[in-house]
Amino acid sequence: AQKVTQAQTEISVVEKEDVTLDCVYETRDTTYYLFWYKQPPSGELVFLIRRNSFDEQNEISGRYSWNFQKSTSSFNFTITASQVVDSAVYFCALSERSGGYQKVTFGTGTKLQVIP
Amino acid sequence: EAQVTQNPRYLITVTGKKLTVTCSQNMNHEYMSWYRQDPGLGLRQIYYSMNVEVTDKGDVPEGYKVSRKEKRNFPLILESPSPNQTSLYFCASSLKTGGYQETQYFGPGTRLLVL
Repeated sequence: AQKVTQAQTEISVVEKEDVTLDCVYETRDTTYYLFWYKQPPSGELVFLIRRNSFDEQNEISGRYSWNFQKSTSSFNFTITASQVVDSAVYFCALSERSGGYQKVTFGTGTKLQVIP
Repeated sequence: EAQVTQNPRYLITVTGKKLTVTCSQNMNHEYMSWYRQDPGLGLRQIYYSMNVEVTDKGDVPEGYKVSRKEKRNFPLILESPSPNQTSLYFCASSLKTGGYQETQYFGPGTRLLVL
């Protein structure tokens, strides 16, 4: 069965600090997708990134970067020079096939508070 | 504008009174799904649909029903709501490319309170 673990329930950082959100996953599939979503205080879910299991290249988008390591089954997310607008709950998710159908499992989320 | 819409956005009801939360998408997506979000539990998948007339259970299907008669709509039905179904519900849709799921687009959420 697939599983996504976000061990950090809440993190507080001071503005301009770097912060890394951890995501560890379990799956039996060799082909799968990993996602990160952001949920700001307003409640909507905002897509950040999608990565397939064959692409282990790290990705950078502005202040955001993602480190995918298959060897440790981790897909960590780093925010550089954090800003107050980064305050949100961040979810990591895993999508795999399960008996011919697609299943998506979310982690329990990490609440990030950026203090001005 | 490409979007997923849900109605109602907020709902207060009483135990046992049947209700339906509608979900509609205008992106011609094959895959649609319902999630519930509870504090400390993240998002849990209730039901999903790979295409019209094809639905399957997620991780927490008890007490819920769905139907997919049209590609754009995927209503969530609570036949006899109970207080433990008080939650924030999200509908999502995505393309299905090569048998795997593309990025999901989420609706704005429906906050349900069952008294």
